[in-house]
Amino acid sequence: GENVEQHPSTLSVQEGDSAVIKCTYSDSASNYFPWYKQELGKRPQLIIDIRSNVGEKKDQRIAVTLNKTAKHFSLHITETQPEDSAVYFCAAMGANQAGTALIFGKGTTLSVSS
Amino acid sequence: NAGVTQTPKFQVLKTGQSMTLQCAQDMNHNSMYWYRQDPGMGLRLIYYSASEGTTDKGEVPNGYNVSRLNKREFSLRLESAAPSQTSVYFCAARLYSNQPQHFGDGTRLSIL
Repeated sequence: GENVEQHPSTLSVQEGDSAVIKCTYSDSASNYFPWYKQELGKRPQLIIDIRSNVGEKKDQRIAVTLNKTAKHFSLHITETQPEDSAVYFCAAMGANQAGTALIFGKGTTLSVSS
Repeated sequence: NAGVTQTPKFQVLKTGQSMTLQCAQDMNHNSMYWYRQDPGMGLRLIYYSASEGTTDKGEVPNGYNVSRLNKREFSLRLESAAPSQTSVYFCAARLYSNQPQHFGDGTRLSIL
């Protein structure tokens, strides 16, 4: 089945700096890669996603890149703000005979200090 | 628009008790999922239902059972709760493959 590795587990940056979180996946058939942000005590919420037919996607200060050959994808946050502090999860869409399901990385705790 | 609704929000059980966690979605989504979240472990898939009438095991199914009652509802049952099942449980739903999963608010379950 699919396996997703995420690094780093914790990341501390100064306000205004950039933050990069990296993930690798194992199943070359996976074709959907979302990123979720989870604030303390809240549900995970989708912030950006990318499908395997594109290499990069941007949404304001957030961008995601995908390298299918190397089986890795990354989240880039520019001009970080204190409200970006949260846990971020990457995921890959695993597949088997019965259907498909998102398999998640273990998460990155991002702390942005002002 | 409620989206994905989980009940209860909090529950404390004693070892050996049984419990059913309820999940309902009003988005007419085809697939539904149960995850557990433990510190440092991320979100781990317990069971999922690709469509009404089907269920399949995820990464950590032992000690759990599920029922996809209809298209809206997907329940998770602990037959004999163990302290290792203390966790936050999230239900999610998705319309089609390659579409985002939408999560409920979670059920915080403690087993003493």
